[in-house]
Amino acid sequence: EVQLVESGGGLVKPGGSLRLSCAASGFTLIRHSMNWVRQAPGKGLEWVSSISTTGIYTHYGDSVKGRFTISRDNSKNSLFLQMDSLRAEDTAVYYCARVWDSGYGIDYWGQGTLVTVSS
Amino acid sequence: NFMLIQPHSVSESPGKTVTISCTGNSGSIASNYVQWYQQRPGSAPTALIYKNDQRPSGVPDRFSGSIDSSSNSASLTISGLKTEDEADYYCQSYDLNNVLFGGGTKLTVL
Repeated sequence: EVQLVESGGGLVKPGGSLRLSCAASGFTLIRHSMNWVRQAPGKGLEWVSSISTTGIYTHYGDSVKGRFTISRDNSKNSLFLQMDSLRAEDTAVYYCARVWDSGYGIDYWGQGTLVTVSS
Repeated sequence: NFMLIQPHSVSESPGKTVTISCTGNSGSIASNYVQWYQQRPGSAPTALIYKNDQRPSGVPDRFSGSIDSSSNSASLTISGLKTEDEADYYCQSYDLNNVLFGGGTKLTVL
């Protein structure tokens, strides 16, 4: 059974940093590109970042570019999101999401971890 | 910037058929595959349709996806509506290397 379990969320002050982790199980992580997607309270889905199977290629949404860094450790079946210079508008549930092996779309989502940026 | 536009909400009665649209504001929506996701209240999204019209295993055939190049839009059609279909629905596609989501459509089944 495919499972994606996020951790690392919490309350952080504006300007602070947080590192999210996603533990993958039930499949071979290196075969899939991965995404982080977030959802602010009461709002829609917003793509944050994506990373290719080996980690060579990474892409970021305009709102997080230069502040967030996506990475992965295939040997440990883990995906990460380093979030720096956090702002109030980064408050959201962050989902780890697996890309179909065809390379298009998301086939599995984690349950999400809540990040709250507030003083 | 390429954006995906969805109606904010739709409603229909149980047993009926409803169609949710996803319109590209520029360019051609047919240039990239469109996916659809369902998100029930308090839950993570789940995959409904991928590559325009493909259903993942386990998704009922009441759900179908299509592309209409003439209107530059994708559609999700749900037939035989059930109360459990009440949820938010999101379309998703790509703009170069960026992943795009539509704003979401709240489906009410009443």
